[in-house]
Amino acid sequence: DQQVKQNSPSLSVQEGRISILNCDYTNSMFDYFLWYKKYPAEGPTFLISISSIKDKNEDGRFTVFLNKSAKHLSLHIVPSQPGDSAVYFCAASASGGTSYGKLTFGQGTILTVHP
Amino acid sequence: GAVVSQHPSWVICKSGTSVKIECRSLDFQATTMFWYRQFPKQSLMLMATSNEGSKATYEQGVEKDKFLINHASLTLSTLTVTSAHPEDSSFYICSANSPKAGDGTEAFFGQGTRLTVV
Repeated sequence: DQQVKQNSPSLSVQEGRISILNCDYTNSMFDYFLWYKKYPAEGPTFLISISSIKDKNEDGRFTVFLNKSAKHLSLHIVPSQPGDSAVYFCAASASGGTSYGKLTFGQGTILTVHP
Repeated sequence: GAVVSQHPSWVICKSGTSVKIECRSLDFQATTMFWYRQFPKQSLMLMATSNEGSKATYEQGVEKDKFLINHASLTLSTLTVTSAHPEDSSFYICSANSPKAGDGTEAFFGQGTRLTVV
């Protein structure tokens, strides 16, 4: 049972335009969400996170939006740069006594930014 | 951000042998670390939670006798794949949460270890 889903396996964007990566979840217990960037044969690199008490968090070119009622979140990258090309993973965790570090990941979306 | 280091970055071993992977938190202490596995073109799957000074907690379907976890100090967790078989070939990644980074809720990952069993 895939509790975190990234339905788009890949996304191709022109440099300078906006990249929008989507993520859906089914577990209502999730209350913290994170986005990671990953290159092959490397560990994930943390990008940005959002708590369920917020609906938006912004950090530089990265903004994450959370729609709790729809159980949907998205990562916006603007402007997109060729160096952003990587696999992006959405991850979620539930508090309630367990550690935030216990993450459930989506399948990942391959982002390609063309010059 | 915090630094989590994993060693080795890659290893090739013969079927039936055991392999130990180390995960260290370099600039903070971690009472809890996490081990994930990623098969090619798939997502990262949590295998187990490593607890300093106590037994690890394994996720459903993960054999605790095959994947031995030891968290002997606040900066080191080890994962030993015992009697490795080709189907154990995968990318193993550890993570930890640092109280130094943000509000402590971001998990920081090691570089990962590519295990190939021949």
